[in-house]
Amino acid sequence: EVQLVESGGGLVQPGRSLRLSCATSGLSVDDYAMHWVRQAPGKGLEWVSGITWNSGNIGYADSVKGRFTISRDSAKNSLYLQLNNVRPEDTALYYCVYGLDQQLWTGLEYWGQGTLVTVSS
Amino acid sequence: QSALTQPASVSGSPGQSITISCTGTNSDVGTYNLVSWYQQHPGKVPKVLIYEVDKWPSGVSSRFSGSKSGNTASLTISELQAEDEADYYCCSYAGGSTLVFGGGTKLTVL
Repeated sequence: EVQLVESGGGLVQPGRSLRLSCATSGLSVDDYAMHWVRQAPGKGLEWVSGITWNSGNIGYADSVKGRFTISRDSAKNSLYLQLNNVRPEDTALYYCVYGLDQQLWTGLEYWGQGTLVTVSS
Repeated sequence: QSALTQPASVSGSPGQSITISCTGTNSDVGTYNLVSWYQQHPGKVPKVLIYEVDKWPSGVSSRFSGSKSGNTASLTISELQAEDEADYYCCSYAGGSTLVFGGGTKLTVL
Protein backbone atom coordinates (compact mmCIF):
# COMPACT_ATOMS: atom_id res chain seq x y z
CA GLU A 1 0.00 0.00 0.00
CA VAL A 2 1.31 3.43 -0.96
CA GLN A 3 1.16 6.00 1.81
CA LEU A 4 2.12 9.66 1.87
CA VAL A 5 1.91 11.60 5.13
CA GLU A 6 2.41 15.35 5.04
CA SER A 7 3.35 17.44 8.06
CA GLY A 8 4.64 20.87 8.95
CA GLY A 9 1.59 22.97 8.18
CA GLY A 10 0.11 25.49 10.55
CA LEU A 11 -0.51 29.16 11.15
CA VAL A 12 2.33 31.41 9.99
CA GLN A 13 2.65 35.18 9.71
CA PRO A 14 3.19 36.86 6.36
CA GLY A 15 6.85 37.09 5.44
CA ARG A 16 7.85 34.15 7.64
CA SER A 17 9.07 30.67 6.65
CA LEU A 18 7.74 27.14 6.95
CA ARG A 19 8.98 23.70 5.92
CA LEU A 20 6.57 21.01 4.80
CA SER A 21 7.55 17.35 4.93
CA CYS A 22 6.09 14.29 3.26
CA ALA A 23 7.05 10.84 4.50
CA THR A 24 6.26 8.08 2.02
CA SER A 25 6.11 4.30 2.00
CA GLY A 26 5.20 1.65 -0.52
CA LEU A 27 7.09 3.40 -3.32
CA SER A 28 10.54 4.98 -3.56
CA VAL A 29 11.15 8.67 -4.23
CA ASP A 30 14.14 7.43 -6.24
CA ASP A 31 11.86 5.81 -8.80
CA TYR A 32 9.19 8.44 -9.44
CA ALA A 33 8.71 12.14 -10.00
CA MET A 34 7.11 13.89 -7.07
CA HIS A 35 5.02 17.01 -6.75
CA TRP A 36 3.42 19.48 -4.41
CA VAL A 37 -0.11 20.58 -5.32
CA ARG A 38 -2.17 23.00 -3.26
CA GLN A 39 -5.85 23.78 -2.91
CA ALA A 40 -7.09 26.95 -1.26
CA PRO A 41 -10.27 26.53 0.79
CA GLY A 42 -13.21 26.05 -1.56
CA LYS A 43 -11.01 26.55 -4.63
CA GLY A 44 -9.44 24.45 -7.35
CA LEU A 45 -6.15 22.60 -7.61
CA GLU A 46 -2.93 24.51 -8.24
CA TRP A 47 0.33 22.78 -9.14
CA VAL A 48 3.13 24.24 -6.99
CA SER A 49 6.32 22.35 -7.73
CA GLY A 50 7.73 19.08 -9.04
CA ILE A 51 11.00 17.16 -8.97
CA THR A 52 12.10 14.20 -11.08
CA TRP A 53 13.34 10.89 -9.69
CA ASN A 54 16.97 11.97 -9.85
CA SER A 55 16.41 15.69 -9.08
CA GLY A 56 17.60 16.37 -12.61
CA ASN A 57 14.55 18.47 -13.41
CA ILE A 58 12.79 20.78 -10.97
CA GLY A 59 9.95 23.13 -11.74
CA TYR A 60 7.94 25.78 -9.92
CA ALA A 61 4.73 27.65 -10.57
CA ASP A 62 5.32 31.32 -11.31
CA SER A 63 3.36 32.20 -8.17
CA VAL A 64 5.99 30.57 -5.91
CA LYS A 65 9.19 30.78 -7.95
CA GLY A 66 11.99 32.33 -5.93
CA ARG A 67 10.17 31.78 -2.64
CA PHE A 68 9.60 28.00 -2.43
CA THR A 69 12.18 25.22 -2.74
CA ILE A 70 11.44 21.55 -3.32
CA SER A 71 13.81 18.78 -2.29
CA ARG A 72 13.85 15.07 -1.58
CA ASP A 73 15.76 12.71 0.69
CA SER A 74 16.31 9.19 -0.61
CA ALA A 75 17.44 7.82 2.73
CA LYS A 76 14.24 8.99 4.41
CA ASN A 77 12.07 8.35 1.31
CA SER A 78 10.67 11.81 1.84
CA LEU A 79 9.78 14.99 -0.04
CA TYR A 80 10.05 18.52 1.31
CA LEU A 81 8.87 22.01 0.46
CA GLN A 82 10.55 25.04 1.98
CA LEU A 83 8.23 28.04 1.99
CA ASN A 84 9.91 31.42 2.45
CA ASN A 85 8.38 34.89 2.52
CA VAL A 86 4.88 33.45 2.65
CA ARG A 87 1.87 35.50 1.61
CA PRO A 88 -1.82 35.32 2.54
CA GLU A 89 -2.52 33.87 -0.91
CA ASP A 90 -0.34 30.87 -0.03
CA THR A 91 -3.05 29.74 2.39
CA ALA A 92 -4.09 26.28 1.21
CA LEU A 93 -4.09 22.56 1.79
CA TYR A 94 -0.77 21.31 0.43
CA TYR A 95 -0.77 17.83 -1.09
CA CYS A 96 2.30 15.67 -1.64
CA VAL A 97 1.89 13.54 -4.78
CA TYR A 98 3.73 10.72 -6.50
CA GLY A 99 3.94 11.01 -10.26
CA LEU A 100 2.86 8.19 -12.55
CA ASP A 101 6.48 7.58 -13.54
CA GLN A 102 9.90 9.20 -13.47
CA GLN A 103 8.92 12.19 -15.59
CA LEU A 104 7.31 15.39 -14.34
CA TRP A 105 4.85 15.58 -17.19
CA THR A 106 3.08 12.20 -17.14
CA GLY A 107 0.55 12.81 -14.40
CA LEU A 108 -0.13 12.61 -10.69
CA GLU A 109 -1.08 9.29 -9.14
CA TYR A 110 -0.82 8.83 -5.38
CA TRP A 111 -1.90 11.71 -3.14
CA GLY A 112 -1.41 12.32 0.53
CA GLN A 113 -4.19 13.75 2.70
CA GLY A 114 -2.54 17.16 2.77
CA THR A 115 -1.27 19.60 5.38
CA LEU A 116 -2.99 22.94 5.90
CA VAL A 117 -0.97 26.14 5.72
CA THR A 118 -2.66 29.32 6.93
CA VAL A 119 -0.88 32.63 6.40
CA SER A 120 -2.27 35.36 8.57
CA SER A 121 -1.14 38.00 11.01
CA GLN B 1 1.40 29.88 -16.67
CA SER B 2 -2.26 30.78 -16.99
CA ALA B 3 -4.80 28.29 -15.74
CA LEU B 4 -6.48 26.16 -18.38
CA THR B 5 -10.11 27.05 -19.06
CA GLN B 6 -12.86 24.64 -18.08
CA PRO B 7 -16.62 25.22 -17.84
CA ALA B 8 -17.62 25.90 -14.26
CA SER B 9 -20.34 23.29 -14.34
CA VAL B 10 -21.93 20.60 -16.48
CA SER B 11 -24.84 18.29 -15.84
CA GLY B 12 -26.37 15.14 -17.21
CA SER B 13 -28.84 12.40 -16.42
CA PRO B 14 -27.93 8.84 -15.49
CA GLY B 15 -27.06 6.80 -18.56
CA GLN B 16 -26.22 9.82 -20.67
CA SER B 17 -22.78 10.96 -21.84
CA ILE B 18 -21.22 14.30 -21.02
CA THR B 19 -18.06 16.02 -22.20
CA ILE B 20 -15.92 18.48 -20.27
CA SER B 21 -13.64 20.75 -22.28
CA CYS B 22 -10.25 22.08 -21.26
CA THR B 23 -8.84 24.92 -23.34
CA GLY B 24 -5.23 25.96 -23.18
CA THR B 25 -2.75 27.60 -25.50
CA ASN B 26 0.05 26.75 -27.91
CA SER B 27 2.34 26.77 -24.85
CA ASP B 28 0.66 23.84 -23.15
CA VAL B 29 -2.27 21.77 -24.46
CA GLY B 30 -1.61 22.68 -28.07
CA THR B 31 2.02 21.58 -28.04
CA TYR B 32 2.17 18.62 -25.70
CA ASN B 33 0.16 15.39 -25.68
CA LEU B 34 0.54 15.46 -21.92
CA VAL B 35 -2.92 16.21 -20.61
CA SER B 36 -4.26 14.40 -17.57
CA TRP B 37 -7.66 14.45 -15.88
CA TYR B 38 -8.60 14.13 -12.21
CA GLN B 39 -11.79 13.46 -10.30
CA GLN B 40 -12.29 14.88 -6.82
CA HIS B 41 -15.25 14.06 -4.61
CA PRO B 42 -16.04 16.51 -1.76
CA GLY B 43 -13.59 16.11 1.10
CA LYS B 44 -11.53 13.54 -0.80
CA VAL B 45 -8.19 13.61 -2.55
CA PRO B 46 -8.08 13.77 -6.35
CA LYS B 47 -7.93 10.58 -8.41
CA VAL B 48 -6.26 10.36 -11.80
CA LEU B 49 -8.62 9.23 -14.59
CA ILE B 50 -6.64 9.84 -17.78
CA TYR B 51 -3.02 10.62 -18.60
CA GLU B 52 -1.18 11.53 -21.81
CA VAL B 53 -4.50 12.68 -23.34
CA ASP B 54 -6.18 9.29 -23.71
CA LYS B 55 -4.48 6.64 -21.58
CA TRP B 56 -6.06 4.90 -18.60
CA PRO B 57 -4.19 4.25 -15.38
CA SER B 58 -4.72 0.80 -13.95
CA GLY B 59 -8.15 0.33 -12.41
CA VAL B 60 -9.91 3.28 -14.06
CA SER B 61 -13.20 2.59 -15.80
CA SER B 62 -13.30 2.80 -19.59
CA ARG B 63 -16.42 4.95 -19.21
CA PHE B 64 -13.92 7.79 -18.88
CA SER B 65 -12.16 8.72 -22.10
CA GLY B 66 -9.94 11.56 -23.23
CA SER B 67 -9.17 13.30 -26.47
CA LYS B 68 -7.52 16.43 -27.81
CA SER B 69 -7.92 18.73 -30.79
CA GLY B 70 -5.68 21.74 -31.16
CA ASN B 71 -5.56 23.71 -27.94
CA THR B 72 -8.56 21.94 -26.42
CA ALA B 73 -8.62 18.66 -24.55
CA SER B 74 -11.81 16.86 -23.60
CA LEU B 75 -12.97 14.32 -21.04
CA THR B 76 -16.03 12.27 -21.93
CA ILE B 77 -17.93 10.28 -19.33
CA SER B 78 -20.31 7.74 -20.82
CA GLU B 79 -23.15 5.89 -19.11
CA LEU B 80 -23.29 8.55 -16.41
CA GLN B 81 -23.77 7.27 -12.88
CA ALA B 82 -24.74 9.03 -9.66
CA GLU B 83 -21.28 8.35 -8.22
CA ASP B 84 -19.71 10.38 -11.04
CA GLU B 85 -20.97 13.56 -9.40
CA ALA B 86 -17.74 15.32 -8.45
CA ASP B 87 -15.30 18.05 -9.47
CA TYR B 88 -13.11 17.36 -12.50
CA TYR B 89 -9.77 18.98 -13.28
CA CYS B 90 -7.58 18.89 -16.36
CA CYS B 91 -3.83 19.36 -16.15
CA SER B 92 -1.25 19.91 -18.87
CA TYR B 93 2.50 20.02 -19.14
CA ALA B 94 3.44 23.63 -19.92
CA GLY B 95 7.13 23.28 -20.70
CA GLY B 96 10.05 24.20 -18.49
CA SER B 97 9.29 21.38 -16.05
CA THR B 98 5.97 22.94 -15.11
CA LEU B 99 2.36 21.78 -15.00
CA VAL B 100 -0.82 23.83 -15.09
CA PHE B 101 -4.31 22.87 -13.92
CA GLY B 102 -7.68 23.96 -15.20
CA GLY B 103 -10.05 25.80 -12.92
CA GLY B 104 -12.22 22.74 -12.40
CA THR B 105 -15.70 21.66 -13.49
CA LYS B 106 -18.49 20.61 -11.17
CA LEU B 107 -20.47 17.71 -12.59
CA THR B 108 -24.04 17.33 -11.40
CA VAL B 109 -25.89 14.10 -12.11
CA LEU B 110 -29.55 15.01 -12.36
